[in-house]
Amino acid sequence: GDSVTQMEGPVTLSEEAFLTINCTYTATGYPSLFWYVQYPGEGLQLLLKATKADDKGSNKGFEATYRKETTSFHLEKGSVQVSDSAVYFCALGDGSGNTGKLIFGQGTTLQVKP
Amino acid sequence: NAGVTQTPKFQVLKTGQSMTLQCAQDMNHNSMYWYRQDPGMGLRLIYYSASEGTTDKGEVPNGYNVSRLNKREFSLRLESAAPSQTSVYFCASSNRDRRTEAFFGQGTRLTVV
Repeated sequence: GDSVTQMEGPVTLSEEAFLTINCTYTATGYPSLFWYVQYPGEGLQLLLKATKADDKGSNKGFEATYRKETTSFHLEKGSVQVSDSAVYFCALGDGSGNTGKLIFGQGTTLQVKP
Repeated sequence: NAGVTQTPKFQVLKTGQSMTLQCAQDMNHNSMYWYRQDPGMGLRLIYYSASEGTTDKGEVPNGYNVSRLNKREFSLRLESAAPSQTSVYFCASSNRDRRTEAFFGQGTRLTVV
């Protein structure tokens, strides 16, 4: 079945460091891919998305490119801030039916130190 | 802009007790979902409702029931709570188009003792 694998955390970086969080997937059909962010004590909010192969999603300095050939959707940011400390989830949409269901990776905790 | 509203935010139950988690959305979305979040496991789908009047099982439905009361409201019921149901529960909604994202509530932290 469809699945998502994220790199294990936690990831600890210094402010202004480069961030990569790896995400790979297995899927049937034509799924969309999403990155959600969860700040402490809050629900999930969409960070960025890509709906087809080679699309690049971007928001708040974060980027991810939908790579069908490597089945990946890695999250990157050139210079992280303390305020980026959160849990990041990669998610796969339902590619073969219009249910809107999401399959999530296990989440990666990012801690950014000043 | 309320979005997706869940109640309660926190709850402690004794083993065997029952409770209902409430969820309402004001975005006129067709589809609604209940997920649970456990450490190291991401979010897993419990039940979903693709449209008003329909419900379907997700990945981890055992021990839960749901009701799609109307287009806005989707409740999750634990009939006889077990410690394994200690988790954070999230309700979400979307318009079901595969290109659009889901919107999440703030979550309910449930502890079963």
